[in-house]
Amino acid sequence: EAQVTQNPRYLITVTGKKLTVTCSQNMNHEYMSWYRQDPGLGLRQIYYSMNVEVTDKGDVPEGYKVSRKEKRNFPLILESPSPNQTSLYFCASSPTNSYPNEQFFGPGTRLTVL
Amino acid sequence: QQQVKQSPQSLIVQKGGISIINCAYENTAFDYFPWYQQFPGKGPALLIAIRPDVSEKKEGRFTISFNKSAKQFSLHIMDSQPGDSATYFCAASVSGSARQLTFGSGTQLTVLP
Repeated sequence: EAQVTQNPRYLITVTGKKLTVTCSQNMNHEYMSWYRQDPGLGLRQIYYSMNVEVTDKGDVPEGYKVSRKEKRNFPLILESPSPNQTSLYFCASSPTNSYPNEQFFGPGTRLTVL
Repeated sequence: QQQVKQSPQSLIVQKGGISIINCAYENTAFDYFPWYQQFPGKGPALLIAIRPDVSEKKEGRFTISFNKSAKQFSLHIMDSQPGDSATYFCAASVSGSARQLTFGSGTQLTVLP
């Protein structure tokens, strides 16, 4: 089944404790992105990647890191989480950045930082 | 700066009624306008999309209306059903741009039985 998977789905942590949210897609897509979803703000892009070893900042990159060492994986790293990073996170992939660039979203990771 | 403004934030409609969600954009370079549907506990999924060379696109009960001069587009859900209850996001992008989608703030639709 073609899908984007994220782990963990739920995570409660404390301020300053490094964490990684994994994302993997099995569709051989070139493009991958991370978004955070907050009430009233919609989905905001954190980082995106056009291909292996190619990443760039989205709209809200502060406090986050990413890597793209393999085409299928795009982990999101919070090296020193803070309470304002409490949010719902989505990973997405798409085959191209040309029309129609439908993005396929993972199921989400709900993160709480105490 | 929010480049895609969406309204209303929430919408309650009776079964069989018409649901209308509106979006406005600022960046005239946008040339792809999709709508995503999100059910609780799930990631968003593409519902319908339009390019600015047409003024309307219809897929079943869902229609996008596009007004290029006003820089506005809207989603119409005809004969709304309780199963349509979800959060709807409009979005916009520039073809070929690596930045991909800019999303609106979302509309929570509730269709009453």
